[in-house]
Amino acid sequence: KNQVEQSPQSLIILEGKNCTLQCNYTVSPFSNLRWYKQDTGRGPVSLTIMTFSENTKSNGRYTATLDADTKQSSLHITASQLSDSASYICVVTSSGGSYIPTFGRGTSLIVHP
Amino acid sequence: NAGVTQTPKFRILKIGQSMTLQCTQDMNHNYMYWYRQDPGMGLKLIYYSVGAGITDKGEVPNGYNVSRSTTEDFPLRLELAAPSQTSVYFCASRTAELWQRGGKDTQYFGPGTRLTVL
Repeated sequence: KNQVEQSPQSLIILEGKNCTLQCNYTVSPFSNLRWYKQDTGRGPVSLTIMTFSENTKSNGRYTATLDADTKQSSLHITASQLSDSASYICVVTSSGGSYIPTFGRGTSLIVHP
Repeated sequence: NAGVTQTPKFRILKIGQSMTLQCTQDMNHNYMYWYRQDPGMGLKLIYYSVGAGITDKGEVPNGYNVSRSTTEDFPLRLELAAPSQTSVYFCASRTAELWQRGGKDTQYFGPGTRLTVL
């Protein structure tokens, strides 16, 4: 069964600090991995997307890494801001069958001033 | 472009009532999806559509129905609402061009509909 596990479940950091969120998956065969940011009460918004051949992708202060061999990804946030407070969701899509994406439960990040 | 719009934003239903959640996108996307998000859980796919007239079941289709008569609209129908259907429902859409290449598809999500069944 395809699964996506994220850790930690929640994280509290001070404004200006860096943090790293983890994603482990068992989706096979692999097509792509995406990180989404979901603000409270809003729909998810795409941050990065990586295919098998990519091992790092940046979007401003967000940097995602992918290790397809160990089936792990991380999202690093640099110099956090209050607006980074949100849920970060890892989504992995399989290239087998109907390309239905598998969503992780998300990591809830709170940035304090 | 308005992107993906959903109505209503909030709704309270009594057990056994029916309703339709509306979803419209103006990006001419072929693929559309309905998800539900329960507290502390990942999004679960209810139904999806790869184009007008074509729909298919996702992971949790029981208790729901969909139709896709146009490219823009993808309504979700709840028949005989149950408390287990209390959730936040998200509609999403994406283009089809990179699908077969397993490439860099991005889903665009609507703002969600918060449904409570009492």
